[in-house]
Amino acid sequence: QVQLVQSGGGVVQPGNSLRLSCSASGFTFASLAHHWVRQSPGKGLEWLGLIANDGSYQYYADNVKGRFTISRDNSMNMLYLQIHSLRPDDTAVYYCTRNSDYVNDYWGQGTLVTVSS
Amino acid sequence: QPVLTQSSSASASLGSSVKLTCTLSSGHRGHFIAWLRQQPGKAPRHLMKLEGSGNYKKGRGVPDRFSGSSSGADRYLTISNLQSDDEADYYCETWDVGSLHVVFGGGTKLTVL
Repeated sequence: QVQLVQSGGGVVQPGNSLRLSCSASGFTFASLAHHWVRQSPGKGLEWLGLIANDGSYQYYADNVKGRFTISRDNSMNMLYLQIHSLRPDDTAVYYCTRNSDYVNDYWGQGTLVTVSS
Repeated sequence: QPVLTQSSSASASLGSSVKLTCTLSSGHRGHFIAWLRQQPGKAPRHLMKLEGSGNYKKGRGVPDRFSGSSSGADRYLTISNLQSDDEADYYCETWDVGSLHVVFGGGTKLTVL
């Protein structure tokens, strides 16, 4: 069955960087675009960006462009989100998603990132 | 870029039906959306993709109690025979072809009485 299993996250100091990982299984990972979404405590869902199936392009939400980098390794069925210059308002649960037919049809379990000194 | 508007809250009784609404902004009335459910403490789950025509395709394992419909700029999610574990936040999302961005509605918190 389709699974997206996330790792990484935790407590990070402001200004530091962090990489989140998402391991995909149960489908042909290299055939689909994937996205990252986050949810700040008590808030709604916020789209962060996407990466094409072959990694040839990425698009980002305006408010994270330049600080967030999405990458993938199709040989390992892995998706990544690199966050630089972490700020307290980056504190959130981060989700990876599979995008099929223009909808995010499977989601990872989420990983909490807390930015605090 | 489309804007999706949802009521912040809704309530209905156990065993009854409820119809949740997601409204597309002007100029985007023909867009498809997807409905998501997020139970407390869990990741969102895709429920269905709903076209402007009213046709919908449900995700794997989504019960028959869930259905979708459309009217103009409004996209609806109807849940029949409400169960206690239907108490959750429900979000709609869409895809903006122009900016290649995903947009989410603000979510509706459904309380099952």
